[in-house]
Amino acid sequence: QKEVEQDPGPLSVPEGAIVSLNCTYSNSAFQYFMWYRQYSRKGPELLMYTYSSGNKEDGRFTAQVDKSSKYISLFIRDSQPSDSATYLCAMWKGGGNKLTFGTGTQLKVEL
Amino acid sequence: DVKVTQSSRYLVKRTGEKVFLECVQDMDHENMFWYRQDPGLGLRLIYFSYDVKMKEKGDIPEGYSVSREKKERFSLILESASTNQTSMYLCASTRQGMATEAFFGQGTRLTVV
Repeated sequence: QKEVEQDPGPLSVPEGAIVSLNCTYSNSAFQYFMWYRQYSRKGPELLMYTYSSGNKEDGRFTAQVDKSSKYISLFIRDSQPSDSATYLCAMWKGGGNKLTFGTGTQLKVEL
Repeated sequence: DVKVTQSSRYLVKRTGEKVFLECVQDMDHENMFWYRQDPGLGLRLIYFSYDVKMKEKGDIPEGYSVSREKKERFSLILESASTNQTSMYLCASTRQGMATEAFFGQGTRLTVV
């Protein structure tokens, strides 16, 4: 069993829809939870991170962590075609340097 | 505004060749990483370095080596390329203790024929 599970998609939604992207994990030692966006043929770029449980909002993006369920989510409001990308979750225990990534979910926002 | 630069976007090499992938960062970060990214497998850590001349194996180091002679530069070496090393290779860097924000290069798509 992988430490981090993420549905690969693809997920296709109409412009303006609310998108929900999710990851589950098995290691309760994870303390920091990140979301990266990766456009085709580019490297990943950090969208946002949260520490422990709770919500964090940044513009149209909201990250949510439920440590009791070992479940994290990224919500995108008013989705735009420019949001079409692969979204990777990543997790860190807070010590050492190693991140653990999900496999990524491919999102397509259609006009 | 380029922060992490990989020397090549696309490479085609023959089986058995020695391959060098170069990565340079301009943020004075202590930590540098090499990942490979394959469909359905996500990002897998090959090696990382937390200081000049220091290195640690990641999850899949077999068939690879690394070199870090200067703080800003981290090289990945495929000693004898094989077809199963065809992949997207990504370099990343972080500040020590700040793994929450990794900066990635644009990736090198390596094809071994």
